[in-house]
Amino acid sequence: GIQVEQSPPDLILQEGANSTLRCNFSDSVNNLQWFHQNPWGQLINLFYIPSGTKQNGRLSATTVATERYSLLYISSSQTTDSGVYFCAVEVIGRRALTFGSGTRLQVQP
Amino acid sequence: SQTIHQWPATLVQPVGSPLSLECTVEGTSNPNLYWYRQAAGRGLQLLFYSVGIGQISSEVPQNLSASRPQDRQFILSSKKLLLSDSGFYLCAWGRDYEQYFGPGTRLTVT
Repeated sequence: GIQVEQSPPDLILQEGANSTLRCNFSDSVNNLQWFHQNPWGQLINLFYIPSGTKQNGRLSATTVATERYSLLYISSSQTTDSGVYFCAVEVIGRRALTFGSGTRLQVQP
Repeated sequence: SQTIHQWPATLVQPVGSPLSLECTVEGTSNPNLYWYRQAAGRGLQLLFYSVGIGQISSEVPQNLSASRPQDRQFILSSKKLLLSDSGFYLCAWGRDYEQYFGPGTRLTVT
């Protein structure tokens, strides 16, 4: 099956810093989503981005489907950005998401 | 707008006991429905998905089963829980590829 690798596995930032999270995947996909899992376990949709670039406030994402990777940018990080960020992909012909192992982000005040 | 509910929020069950977790979706019709499990650590694993009433696909052979008795209701069950069934169970709904997750049920098997 498809492999989804996220890096780095852990990241500690000071409030106000910027960061880039990466997601590599091993096969062609027709769906790629970024999620933020908060401390209560809720998975919050950040981006649906099978290709191209999107921005939402301090967050933006870029997917280069031909090179099989996606990047999530967090600018001016805040303590509320802490949690685990997941990349998940859906392989063509399959209806469900395959998740990466996540990046655990801790933003310190 | 669409909302997804799961209950119970937390559950502690002894080994060998039965299990029933429920998920319902509001504000949409004929959604795709999914059950995922997140064990200690980070990764989410797909357990079951359904594209319609009575249509269930299983991803991982185990002692769990799923049913979809109504269009917007998805149930995860077990006849006898194992210690390894402990984890965080998440239901999701989707259409046109994007998926949205419920608040989850944290299950501890003792």
